[in-house]
Amino acid sequence: RKEVEQDPGPFNVPEGATVAFNCTYSNSASQSFFWYRQDCRKEPKLLMSVYSSGNEDGRFTAQLNRASQYISLLIRDSKLGDSATYLCVVSLNTGGFKTIFGAGTRLFVKA
Amino acid sequence: EAGVTQSPTHLIKTRGQQATLRCSPISGHTSVYWYQQALGLGLQFLLWYDEGEERNRGNFPPRFSGRQFPNYSSELNVNALELEDSALYLCASSLRTGTASSGANVLTFGAGSRLTVL
Repeated sequence: RKEVEQDPGPFNVPEGATVAFNCTYSNSASQSFFWYRQDCRKEPKLLMSVYSSGNEDGRFTAQLNRASQYISLLIRDSKLGDSATYLCVVSLNTGGFKTIFGAGTRLFVKA
Repeated sequence: EAGVTQSPTHLIKTRGQQATLRCSPISGHTSVYWYQQALGLGLQFLLWYDEGEERNRGNFPPRFSGRQFPNYSSELNVNALELEDSALYLCASSLRTGTASSGANVLTFGAGSRLTVL
């Protein structure tokens, strides 16, 4: 089993749609959780951290369920510029942080 | 504040040659990570250096090696290049100490070095 697993994608949605990405992680000792965004042929960039209480940043909402070891990202009112690969990332402290990336879910937003 | 810088941006080599890629972390960051991303695939963890020591290694053959210098910059060496080594090599840095809530474990990536093996 992979340490971090994501929806395979790709997701093809029209502008204005709401889209949800799911992610599960295998190590219950994981401490920190993130969503990164990667544009085509570019480096990944931090989109948002994911907190236990859930958090929102504009059109983006992230949620964490530690009991189920599940993370989600909801994008409301999708824009063309949201087209990218979304990476679920899990980190645990092993005397320094071990960071594990999911394989990513590709999103295409179309006009 | 300068971000993570990588060099060279592009590198073309032939099979059997050696490639050396370089990374300078964000000032104050002591951890450096290397990832390989082949075209259309996800990030594959290669190496993690912290305070000059190799802390963890991904599932790659020994011809992938590296080091971290006293100034925390890092070098990735790939010996005996094979065609399948063609990929984008990404370096990231982070703080080592500190709490997760302080952002200590957030990785910041460089723009990558694109290696092409012919």
